[in-house]
Amino acid sequence: KAGVTQTPRYLIKTRGQQVTLSCSPISGHRSVSWYQQTPGQGLQFLFEYFSETQRNKGNFPGRFSGRQFSNSRSEMNVSTLELGDSALYLCASSLEATKPNSPLHFGNGTRLTVT
Amino acid sequence: GNSVTQMEGPVTLSEEAFLTINCTYTATGYPSLFWYVQYPGEGLQLLLKATKADDKGSNKGFEATYRKETTSFHLEKGSVQVSDSAVYFCALSDPANQAGTALIFGKGTTLSVSS
Repeated sequence: KAGVTQTPRYLIKTRGQQVTLSCSPISGHRSVSWYQQTPGQGLQFLFEYFSETQRNKGNFPGRFSGRQFSNSRSEMNVSTLELGDSALYLCASSLEATKPNSPLHFGNGTRLTVT
Repeated sequence: GNSVTQMEGPVTLSEEAFLTINCTYTATGYPSLFWYVQYPGEGLQLLLKATKADDKGSNKGFEATYRKETTSFHLEKGSVQVSDSAVYFCALSDPANQAGTALIFGKGTTLSVSS
């Protein structure tokens, strides 16, 4: 079974631009979560989607948004990029949305560099 | 708010040594607790979990016990191998998030095992 796939692996953008990251979950997984990983703050929860609806949201500004499609694939968008948005963005999928604490399966991430 | 504190790394051990990685947490309510591991070049994966006080999670020779009285979830292994070299993350699920998908992570501890 294919794992969680994130594209692209690397991105370089300029301040003020916007960016879209993509995540394909494991087949059959309906929940997709996004995390930001930086050396200073570590791993921080951005948001989670289930059945095309945002179910949970972390403490990030509105410049960070996402969506989920009917096939469970998800995208996240960051608008008006700032230098501090440089990070590794991780996507995780989960099998069972009604069973608490199902394991999260992480992708290898997209490394975003903002210059 | 909810938070996780884990010991700073790196931790350097010889093969067959005993491993302890300390993790303490602060949370309202009754969170579930997790250890995730990231091997070189791979995505994070669940190592073990415990969902209530006094539960012991175990996997691949690793163990951790959910201690409510000391708000701790220390990771232990009796005899480490070179293949255990990785980054280990302690995490808790926000009790307000019943699906358990919005995890709060510690900063991670790098373990390096030499033969």
